[in-house]
Amino acid sequence: DAGITQSPRHKVTETGTPVTLRCHQTENHRYMYWYRQDPGHGLRLIHYSYGVKDTDKGEVSDGYSVSRSKTEDFLLTLESATSSQTSVYFCAIETGLGGGGTNEQFFGPGTRLTVL
Amino acid sequence: RKEVEQDPGPFNVPEGATVAFNCTYSNSASQSFFWYRQDCRKEPKLLMSVYSSGNEDGRFTAQLNRASQYISLLIRDSKLSDSATYLCVVSFNTGNQFYFGTGTSLTVIP
Repeated sequence: DAGITQSPRHKVTETGTPVTLRCHQTENHRYMYWYRQDPGHGLRLIHYSYGVKDTDKGEVSDGYSVSRSKTEDFLLTLESATSSQTSVYFCAIETGLGGGGTNEQFFGPGTRLTVL
Repeated sequence: RKEVEQDPGPFNVPEGATVAFNCTYSNSASQSFFWYRQDCRKEPKLLMSVYSSGNEDGRFTAQLNRASQYISLLIRDSKLSDSATYLCVVSFNTGNQFYFGTGTSLTVIP
């Protein structure tokens, strides 16, 4: 258990409303990630963070922003939700615990977001 | 072209069977490789990292072929509890970005 929680776990919202998803970790890992998972696409990276206030865009960042004001929390915001952002959102942390010099990712339980 | 490609399956195998999945990756600079398991409506969970020399964990064996740019996962003596989707993941260790395949679905039948 990598100590990752996500909130809310489920959310239904309407087009045009702002939505913020929260990822919380208890182990002070430096790297945190937000992904979305859709049928036929696998997990796609939205944004990631490599430290407090240090973030960068991923493959599908349009329409999303992130913030990381403290190590344990990584927030994903949809400024104005659209139906195309209906998805399952996973947060992940990266550890340096893998053998052979590999870093491994561990995921939170996910947030199911429906935009009507 | 996708960074990582997998046969989506589904693979339906009887209990006790041996099943193998392959995954190809497009970027020869890829440095780290993993197999994850994902159960329906759950988060992906790390099954095993894949090392250059190949590695084994119980009934699971992972291998890497850098020349042909593919990784494989072999499951021996399949159990009903092995039914899941298996995700292939590669990382370039640059920007610490990980790329996921769409997954291969496995159902083990009694």
